[in-house]
Amino acid sequence: AQTVTQSQPEMSVQEAETVTLSCTYDTSESDYYLFWYKQPPSRQMILVIRQEAYKQQNATENRFSVNFQKAAKSFSLKISDSQLGDAAMYFCAYRYMEYGNKLVFGAGTILRVKS
Amino acid sequence: ETGVTQSPTHLIKTRGQQVTLRCSSQSGHNTVSWYQQALGQGPQFIFQYYREEENGRGNFPPRFSGLQFPNYSSELNVNALELDDSALYLCASSQPGTENSNYGYTFGSGTRLTVV
Repeated sequence: AQTVTQSQPEMSVQEAETVTLSCTYDTSESDYYLFWYKQPPSRQMILVIRQEAYKQQNATENRFSVNFQKAAKSFSLKISDSQLGDAAMYFCAYRYMEYGNKLVFGAGTILRVKS
Repeated sequence: ETGVTQSPTHLIKTRGQQVTLRCSSQSGHNTVSWYQQALGQGPQFIFQYYREEENGRGNFPPRFSGLQFPNYSSELNVNALELDDSALYLCASSQPGTENSNYGYTFGSGTRLTVV
């Protein structure tokens, strides 16, 4: 079964600095998708960035980028120029391609941004 | 686009009771998934509905059941509530073939269920 591990329960970053959130996963599939979601206090899951496993190039969305290491099954999120609005819970997720197309989430990392 | 709407936002029930949670999917989405998010944890997949049929189920007992209606809205029903059912229940809608796009899954803000 696919599993997703986020080893950092909580991280802090100074405003305007850079922070990296870690994620590892386990799968036997060769083609899959990985996602980072942000969950603010409003509780709604918001997609931050996605990565297709067959693509070598790391995904980038403005201040957010990933370091995808397929062989190591690692998928870290880098947030540059951190802003107060980035403070939230961040979840790494794997899209399970079989029956149901479910998302498998990690336990999450709380990101605190200091002004 | 109207987004995903869930109701109610908060609910308190007594152990042994039954509860129904509701979800209106985003316009154009015909697939609905339900997730349970216990406090301090990541969401866990309960099940998914596509065209009014269950299309995948996670490791949840049969007392967790669902429905999807012709307008693609959905209900999650939980019977014989237990204290451990206390959690945030999230609904996510999607359109097959677009789940991997930037607009793939749209989540609601959830229903916070407390079982006492």
